[in-house]
This record gives sequence, structure tokens and C-alpha cells, in this order.
Amino acid sequence: GEEVAQTPKHLVRGEGQKAKLYCAPIKGHSYVFWYQQVLKNEFKFLISFQNENVFDETGMPKERFSAKCLPNSPCSLEIQATKLEDSAVYFCASSQSPQGPQHFGDGTRLSIL
Amino acid sequence: ELKVEQNPLFLSMQEGKNYTIYCNYSTTSDRLYWYRQDPGKSLESLFVLLSNGAVKQEGRLMASLDTKARLSTLHITAAVHDLSATYFCAGGPNTGTASKLTFGTGTRLQVTL
Repeated sequence: GEEVAQTPKHLVRGEGQKAKLYCAPIKGHSYVFWYQQVLKNEFKFLISFQNENVFDETGMPKERFSAKCLPNSPCSLEIQATKLEDSAVYFCASSQSPQGPQHFGDGTRLSIL
Repeated sequence: ELKVEQNPLFLSMQEGKNYTIYCNYSTTSDRLYWYRQDPGKSLESLFVLLSNGAVKQEGRLMASLDTKARLSTLHITAAVHDLSATYFCAGGPNTGTASKLTFGTGTRLQVTL
């Protein structure tokens, strides 16, 4: 598609439950990025992919967060045993080239109660 | 590790006035991006600056990059209410491969009549 498509728009989970977010990059874009935006506008990088390969996962809290980009499927970001501090908006972005502009989806607002 | 600082954090300006938002970054970076975010919305790519001395203009916004001073500016000319939004600068490290963006804290711009 022409836009980065993220689903769902809003996800509510109780503390300790699992949350799974999805992202379909723009068609033809090989690079996918996940960012977390918390209440004070701060963006935190989580992970990036080049096609289905993890490129940089230095931002991922590895104990509970995992992500995949499989062929012919939306990319996913999964959080096990969610905590209150995981409440944030999670943005997915894709780019055509390594240094090209990253195009962002509308985000998924995750609320942990 | 790249750090990006923006100022001011909040800017209230009258319609018709000019102002500049500043973006300083800590280490060498030859990629600098400006994004706009409306409340509850995604990030819209405004400018991509890839070389020292780069200047780009779109409507009432003009962005520039000085890699020696590690400074980018976003200049607003004759502001109008429609420009009210939060503006982010973001830098990427000097590598030839897909890499994360490091965002500034954002500048919330409010244009008043």
C-alpha cells in the first residue's frame, strides 16, 4: 500500500497480559522500524529490520519484547507480561533505502490498566 | 551515542511573525530530518537534509543544516494558525546501513491570531 498501516489503533490490556501490535510497511520498502513514544513526547527506538532480518535491536527490552517481520505477513511487535510503564504510542516506520526518510504509520496507542 | 537537543520546547507566536527552532546534535551526523506531528496523529516528514549547507524550503518553512556547527534550524516565515503543531528534528548516525533515528524533544508551536 501507499501508507504504513498499523493495527489496532488502540489496545487496552490489563497488567500482566500480552499485547501484540501489527505493521504493514509501504509496498517496496525494505526497512522497518519500531519506536515508542511516551507521554512527554520522547521517542525511543526499539528495533529495525531489513526485510525479515533484524538489523538493530539495541532498544528492545529483551525480557518481554519481541518482534518479527516475516515474508508476506505484517510485521509484529509483541509484549509479554505487560507493565504499566509500557503504556505509550508505538509507531512503525518504513523506508525504501537506508538513509531515506522514514514514513510513519498512525501508531497504536497501548493502554495498560 | 547521538544526542539531539531542540529549543525552545514551547513556542507561542502571533500570526504573521517569524521565528526559528534550533536543533543541536552531539556527534557527527550527515542526516537530519524534520517532522511535524499534530495532536494524536502520526509524524509527517517535512525535510530531509543530507549534506552540509543544505537548505530546503516548503511554503512558510525553511530548514538548513550546518554539519560543522552540528546545528539545524527550522525557520518559520509569517506564521499562520495552520502551522500549529509539534515539530521534531531527528538525526541518524553516519553509517551506510539502515539505522535508527534519534529524536529531539520536540517544539510545540502555537500560532495565535
